Amino acid sequence: AQRVTQPEKLLSVFKGAPVELKCNYSYSGSPELFWYVQYSRQRLQLLLRHISRESIKGFTADLNKGETSFHLKKPFAQEEDSAMYYCALRNNQGGKLIFGQGTELSVKP
Amino acid sequence: DAGVIQSPRHEVTEMGQEVTLRCKPISGHDYLFWYRQTMMRGLELLIYFNNNVPIDDSGMPEDRFSAKMPNASFSTLKIQPSEPRDSAVYFCASSMPYYGYTFGSGTRLTVV
Repeated sequence: AQRVTQPEKLLSVFKGAPVELKCNYSYSGSPELFWYVQYSRQRLQLLLRHISRESIKGFTADLNKGETSFHLKKPFAQEEDSAMYYCALRNNQGGKLIFGQGTELSVKP
Repeated sequence: DAGVIQSPRHEVTEMGQEVTLRCKPISGHDYLFWYRQTMMRGLELLIYFNNNVPIDDSGMPEDRFSAKMPNASFSTLKIQPSEPRDSAVYFCASSMPYYGYTFGSGTRLTVV
């Protein structure tokens, strides 16, 4: 079964601290992994795709197939990073995304 | 491109009434998805279409929910009759193969 697990519902850090939002997945094939961000009462926005290997707003994520993980990291959190973060998996090109339950990141001043 | 456009942004209706949510995907996107977001259940995929054809509607809660995509530029999600437990934010998203989704701004539905 395809599944995405985000073990933390809430992650609270202070400004300037490192952040790691955990994401684990289960899928037997070659997955496409994504991170989406949702700021308060706004639409979900694509943050990262694993195949792009890019850094957006200081965030990076590396696909670890051995550990079946796709953790999202940022070395120095900013208050404006406070939002809901969703990890998602797609099992074939263009098909449906399977979302995790989301992690709320709260960055305190 | 204006992105994925949903209407209305907010809808308040009385229990038992019919509710229709609308979505205009991005031109050229082959896939269209309807999601429901609640605090308790997070993001739930209700149904998705490929080239206007429904592919997977296993997430549609019950017969009160129906969705159509009569052409490549328009889709509707209908709830009839509506119930208070249907209160949620309903998102539409579209995508092309190999790319992530683009979400609409959502419709916040309140059934009283």
